[in-house]
Amino acid sequence: IQLTQSPSILSTSVGDRVTITCRASQGISSSLAWFQQKPGKAPELLIYAASTLQSGVPSRFSGSGSGTEFTLTISSLQPEDFATYYCLQNNSYPFTFGQGTPLEIK
Amino acid sequence: QVQLVESGGGVVQPGRSLRLSCAASAFTFSNSGMHWVRQAPGKGLEWVAVISSDGSHKYYADSVKGRFTISRDNSRNTLYLQMNSLRVEDTAVYYCAGDMDVWGKGTTVTVSS
Repeated sequence: IQLTQSPSILSTSVGDRVTITCRASQGISSSLAWFQQKPGKAPELLIYAASTLQSGVPSRFSGSGSGTEFTLTISSLQPEDFATYYCLQNNSYPFTFGQGTPLEIK
Repeated sequence: QVQLVESGGGVVQPGRSLRLSCAASAFTFSNSGMHWVRQAPGKGLEWVAVISSDGSHKYYADSVKGRFTISRDNSRNTLYLQMNSLRVEDTAVYYCAGDMDVWGKGTTVTVSS
């Protein structure tokens, strides 16, 4: 199963509302997770089962979607949110990641 | 606190082998499915392999199938990745992850002649 994220890169500012899309090449129900990765660090789980917020993750992060189209939304971007975001499908093996969407400061 | 620590990375020639380890502490290791994920320099994340909590089920990415073997020792709270017939394109930081919500800091594997 291939995952395609858009946009490929996003230039944005503190306070902006940000939406990243992840499209699956076939239906995966709600079996999608979102990760944040900062340079030189391990990824961190933000959202699983498409829309469930991982414990400890700020409520400005939210996820939605099912089937083949999913979105990650950050309601008001904070300075610590500039990072690369990845989606992961865990519907069937082999699991696959999207190619990643880096957020850059505009 | 919950911790996963990878080890065993290094520089190795193409065609050689390497075994990675991932030691878990303060973590319900024996109840968790464990994954290896890698990241080549400057590239995105690539899922590599998974093993079920009791070790009875294992799945691999097509890129490593037949060359890599995932295993675990629940008595030692340790996950392994045996990597054989290494290729230049296996060069990456290798992370272990428990149920995809607990991650180690990674260990670097460089395959080069």
